[in-house]
Amino acid sequence: QVQLQESGPGLVKPSETLSLICTVSGGSLTGFHWSWIRQSPGKGLESVGYVYSSGSTNYNPSLRSRVTISIDASKHQFSLRLNSVTAADTAIYYCARGQYYFGLRFDPWGQGTLVTVSS
Amino acid sequence: QSVLTQPPSASGTPGQRVTISCSGGSSNIGRNPVNWYQQLPGAAPKLLIYTNDQRPSGVPDRFSGSKSGTSASLAISGLQSEDEADYFCATEDANLHGPVFGGGTELTVL
Repeated sequence: QVQLQESGPGLVKPSETLSLICTVSGGSLTGFHWSWIRQSPGKGLESVGYVYSSGSTNYNPSLRSRVTISIDASKHQFSLRLNSVTAADTAIYYCARGQYYFGLRFDPWGQGTLVTVSS
Repeated sequence: QSVLTQPPSASGTPGQRVTISCSGGSSNIGRNPVNWYQQLPGAAPKLLIYTNDQRPSGVPDRFSGSKSGTSASLAISGLQSEDEADYFCATEDANLHGPVFGGGTELTVL
């Protein structure tokens, strides 16, 4: 059973860089789209982006200039870096496994980690 | 403002059938399959329906999905108290070149 676990600081100062890691256990990283999805307090879901197991990436156009997602298969991890953060980046950040099969679906998800942007 | 439009809330009594709609356009639902996610209070989202109408193993057949044109629907029959959750539709958007989600529907079991 594949499981994902996010880790990283829960508090980031404005203008600094948000960095999170997702550790994958119980399965291979090959052939999947490893994704970051965020949820602002009391609001809906927003794709941040994903990295394919080969290293190719797809980013939300609204975040593309600030985001980097990378993968380290040897560590069974993938990571998110979001720079120049503002209060608008405060959210629960979920990592998820994306799979293409007649469309892209996300399953499973990590439990999520709350990141607050505040001085 | 979400790319896909869902009603913010829905409700029903135990045993009732409820439906949740998801409206999009030709660049998203009109050309791509729709998935639905269930988010129980305080938990991460969980895949509920994929490729419009397919249920992952373990999802009760009380949950069903459908798609027509640029809209999709999630139906829950035999409503139970444990179905109280937020439900999100999702697909890909050709103009945005990536995944998009609905704003979510909060389902209350009265």
